[in-house]
Amino acid sequence: TQLLEQSPQFLSIQEGENLTVYCNSSSVFSSLQWYRQEPGEGPVLLVTVVTGGEVKKLKRLTFQFGDARKDSSLHITAAQTGDTGLYLCASRGGYNKLIFGAGTRLAVHP
Amino acid sequence: DAGVIQSPRHEVTEMGQEVTLRCKPISGHDYLFWYRQTMMRGLELLIYFNNNVPIDDSGMPEDRFSAKMPNASFSTLKIQPSEPRDSAVYFCASSFAREAQYFGAGTRLSVL
Repeated sequence: TQLLEQSPQFLSIQEGENLTVYCNSSSVFSSLQWYRQEPGEGPVLLVTVVTGGEVKKLKRLTFQFGDARKDSSLHITAAQTGDTGLYLCASRGGYNKLIFGAGTRLAVHP
Repeated sequence: DAGVIQSPRHEVTEMGQEVTLRCKPISGHDYLFWYRQTMMRGLELLIYFNNNVPIDDSGMPEDRFSAKMPNASFSTLKIQPSEPRDSAVYFCASSFAREAQYFGAGTRLSVL
């Protein structure tokens, strides 16, 4: 079973700062998904990356997939308080199973 | 779209009692997933169904847990008897084929 390591576990920053969180595995990902989970809610899919080296942008969020498809990063530019939440990466562990990392808990303070 | 609907949102019960969690998936979705989330273990897949048939229940922790999907619009996760270590947030999610999974808001279970 593929294990996903996310870092850092916790991140506390001020509004306007930039940040990057990481998702790594010792195995190759077939594809990788990033989710954000706000307090009291379920995870919501942000993006799916499939091709090695792929970069996707979603407003202030930039997602990169490593060339070897064993790692991914999420960069947030000029963080806002609304970005606060748990960021989870997930990979496919079977036909339609998702395996989640432990997540990075982000707190953005005004 | 109403999204995935879970009930109840919160459940407090005493050890030994039976607990039933309910889920209504998004209409037209053919996959339904039950997850459990705790601080210690993160988000874990318990079981998933395809066209109402259980496909993989390897994540179900023990025989005290059971899940059913009697039709395409309803699923239950039952714990009998419940124990304090079952305290967690339980999520239901649904998808169409291998497309994105949509999660409900979860049921926060506390077993005293």
